[in-house]
Amino acid sequence: DQQVKQNSPSLSVQEGRISILNCDYTNSMFDYFLWYKKYPAEGPTFLISISSIKDKNEDGRFTVFLNKSAKHLSLHIVPSQPGDSAVYFCRYNQGGKLIFGQGTELSVKP
Amino acid sequence: KAGVTQTPRYLIKTRGQQVTLSCSPISGHRSVSWYQQTPGQGLQFLFEYFSETQRNKGNFPGRFSGRQFSNSRSEMNVSTLELGDSALYLCASSYLSYQTEKETQYFGPGTRLLVL
Repeated sequence: DQQVKQNSPSLSVQEGRISILNCDYTNSMFDYFLWYKKYPAEGPTFLISISSIKDKNEDGRFTVFLNKSAKHLSLHIVPSQPGDSAVYFCRYNQGGKLIFGQGTELSVKP
Repeated sequence: KAGVTQTPRYLIKTRGQQVTLSCSPISGHRSVSWYQQTPGQGLQFLFEYFSETQRNKGNFPGRFSGRQFSNSRSEMNVSTLELGDSALYLCASSYLSYQTEKETQYFGPGTRLLVL
């Protein structure tokens, strides 16, 4: 049973537009969520996080929204740039357990 | 600071063989986690070591094992390799900031294993 789901395996967006990446979870007992970005042949790199007591966190072009009642997390990238093309993973920590989503491949076209 | 390093970067083995992968975390990081990445399954957690003790374990068979040394370096071993073990194996070291209450993982470049 997947505790963290990223239901869209891929997403294609035009440069300059908004990219919205989604993540759904089942277990409400978590400490915080993190988003990672991964380029081919490289390890994932940390992007942005949000703790369980917040509903929004913003860092430059990246904003993460947390809807606890819907158990839904989303990452907004505005404006999207071709360099944002990568695979994005959401991950949550629950105590010592680390659970990743399956990833969404974002393609930003010029 | 130097990043997380993994050796070797690429490896080709045949079914039935065993393999050992190595990971050196960022200096000062005591937590090391291992992940398997495949196109169909995404990133899957294998296990986490902290101060030479396995703290968490994912849902992988006993053929997958690991250990951590006193200098925090970690090794992962896979015995009796199967074709399905072909994947990118990522190692990550973690740092928990008590000030921000955020844990950040820093990933290595991975070891790409091909089982023929």
